[in-house]
Amino acid sequence: EADIYQTPRYLVIGTGKKITLECSQTMGHDKMYWYQQDPGMELHLIHYSYGVNSTEKGDLSSESTVSRIRTEHFPLTLESARPSHTSQYLCASSGIRGRNTEAFFGQGTRLTVV
Amino acid sequence: AQKITQTQPGMFVQEKEAVTLDCTYDTSDQSYGLFWYKQPSSGEMIFLIYQGSYDEQNATEGRYSLNFQKARKSANLVISASQLGDSAMYFCAMRGFSGGYNKLIFGAGTRLAVHP
Repeated sequence: EADIYQTPRYLVIGTGKKITLECSQTMGHDKMYWYQQDPGMELHLIHYSYGVNSTEKGDLSSESTVSRIRTEHFPLTLESARPSHTSQYLCASSGIRGRNTEAFFGQGTRLTVV
Repeated sequence: AQKITQTQPGMFVQEKEAVTLDCTYDTSDQSYGLFWYKQPSSGEMIFLIYQGSYDEQNATEGRYSLNFQKARKSANLVISASQLGDSAMYFCAMRGFSGGYNKLIFGAGTRLAVHP
């Protein structure tokens, strides 16, 4: 059973607002990821982290920022939301116990910016 | 650079038949892992199967098997005895195991429809 949680599940917010999408995992995983996905489309990696105080930008340029102050917590922040940010955001984590460790995903946050 | 290519945007299969979903990859890393995930219309990501680059045998998990051809850099997913519940998006993914190749990246996905 995967123990990775995202909140909120759904968010409708006005343009210009600051938002933070929460992601927490209780598995002690060192690696965490944020993906952006439009419905039925490809997952684009926007941020990842190898551990506390380690964050990198992914392959898709994003105006969002992330932080990793605690192992279990990897929030994503948009300082000023725009309609172009409307999408689903998926958080995932994976560990280092053996090399064949799959990533576990949260339920996702569906963001709509109006 | 790492890249995953899934060339089949959509596939159809008759219930109880087998189907193969294609995946090719590109990486400079010598040690890497390949994964397949299923995403139903509900949106969650479900891990199906894993293949390590140094694994000599093709991975199998129940009705899922991975046809790994390292020289061709392909990692096709085979679903045997398709069921209606297999209708979903399927994503191939890869992660390297050294240095900057540790990102987990995904292909564009294949939408599978199982017909009764």
